[in-house]
Amino acid sequence: KQEVTQIPAALSVPEGENLVLNCSFTDSAIYNLQWFRQDPGKGLTSLLLIQSSQREQTSGRLNASLDKSSGRSTLYIAASQPGDSATYLCAVYTQGGSEKLVFGKGTKLTVNP
Amino acid sequence: SAVISQKPSRDICQRGTSLTIQCQVDSQVTMMFWYRQQPGQSLTLIATANQGSEATYESGFVIDKFPISRPNLTFSTLTVSNMSPEDSSIYLCSVDSGSQGYEQYFGPGTRLTVT
Repeated sequence: KQEVTQIPAALSVPEGENLVLNCSFTDSAIYNLQWFRQDPGKGLTSLLLIQSSQREQTSGRLNASLDKSSGRSTLYIAASQPGDSATYLCAVYTQGGSEKLVFGKGTKLTVNP
Repeated sequence: SAVISQKPSRDICQRGTSLTIQCQVDSQVTMMFWYRQQPGQSLTLIATANQGSEATYESGFVIDKFPISRPNLTFSTLTVSNMSPEDSSIYLCSVDSGSQGYEQYFGPGTRLTVT
């Protein structure tokens, strides 16, 4: 059974800092890994999608990496801004058997002005 | 990317009643997914809905409690039946891109409070 863990559970940083969010998963048989952002009481916004054959993806100030063999992914946020404050969720699309998206519990990020 | 809308955006319901949540997508999609997010928790898949067939439910979720309809390729409903306070959650509808990569897109969610 696939399990996804995100560390840390919460993170508070001053504006302008670069930061890294971590995600690990137990079963490397995945189609892809997706990072989402969720604002309080809202739905999910897709940030980056990394295919299982890829090592990283970039969008603006965001960079996500994937090491499938070790079951790890990181989301790097450069020059953080107060508007980046949200919960960041990592999810893996698992192959075989029950193919589905399995989520971590998220990292709640607060960027202080 | 797909644009997904959900109705209602939020509701407060009495114990023992039922609520039907609607999900509308701006393009035709094969599979639609329903998730539950309980307070302070991450998302859990309830079921997968394919047009023209019965929904497939995940372990711990049953059709009598969460009946799903999928009448066409752009619309689905999830009913939360005989509600209890434990059903208070955000319910989210999602679809995947249907192409290589299977990127998933989510609706804005329905916040349900059961009193």
